[in-house]
Amino acid sequence: DVKVTQSSRYLVKRTGEKVFLECVQDMDHENMFWYRQDPGLGLRLIYFSYDVKMKEKGDIPEGYSVSREKKERFSLILESASTNQTSMYLCASSFGGQTNYGYTFGSGTRLTVV
Amino acid sequence: AQKVTQAQTEISVVEKEDVTLDCVYETRDTTYYLFWYKQPPSGELVFLIRRNSFDEQNEISGRYSWNFQKSTSSFNFTITASQVVDSAVYFCALSEAYNQGGKLIFGQGTELSVKP
Repeated sequence: DVKVTQSSRYLVKRTGEKVFLECVQDMDHENMFWYRQDPGLGLRLIYFSYDVKMKEKGDIPEGYSVSREKKERFSLILESASTNQTSMYLCASSFGGQTNYGYTFGSGTRLTVV
Repeated sequence: AQKVTQAQTEISVVEKEDVTLDCVYETRDTTYYLFWYKQPPSGELVFLIRRNSFDEQNEISGRYSWNFQKSTSSFNFTITASQVVDSAVYFCALSEAYNQGGKLIFGQGTELSVKP
């Protein structure tokens, strides 16, 4: 069964900590994405990557960075976690090319910053 | 600019009722894709349907049907004879064909509650 796997389902971190959220896909997808989901705001794109070592800012990149050293892995980094980064984080991946077949999503990581 | 609007934040129905979830989109492109995803309480978004802008045929899959109308920029989703297992948050999404990386723009989501 093809999958996008997020390393943690729930995380609790302290303000100021550096936080790593990991995402791995086994579908050989070119594109990978990080979204955050907040009530009433839907899914907002933080960063995405369309190739290894390539990254592009999404709509809300402030306070985040990403790393994609291998095709299958896309990491989201909170350099200094703050309480307003408490949210559900969703990773997704998709094939490249002009035809968009949509995303496969991971199960999400619910991050609480205290 | 691209935008997806799901005006219904929450809908509550009783089992066996039909329910329609609205989705209105904005794009300047003539080639684009529309999607619906379901997010059950477990949290993982599940793909339901994809439509490209050149295919306005309505689609039916079991109790689910989709009505795509370019004239009104709408892509509405109907569940016939709803069941408790349909309770979830439903997202409509748009992708313009030539955007690098195949980004999807999501609506705010509609939370559907089906009561027994």
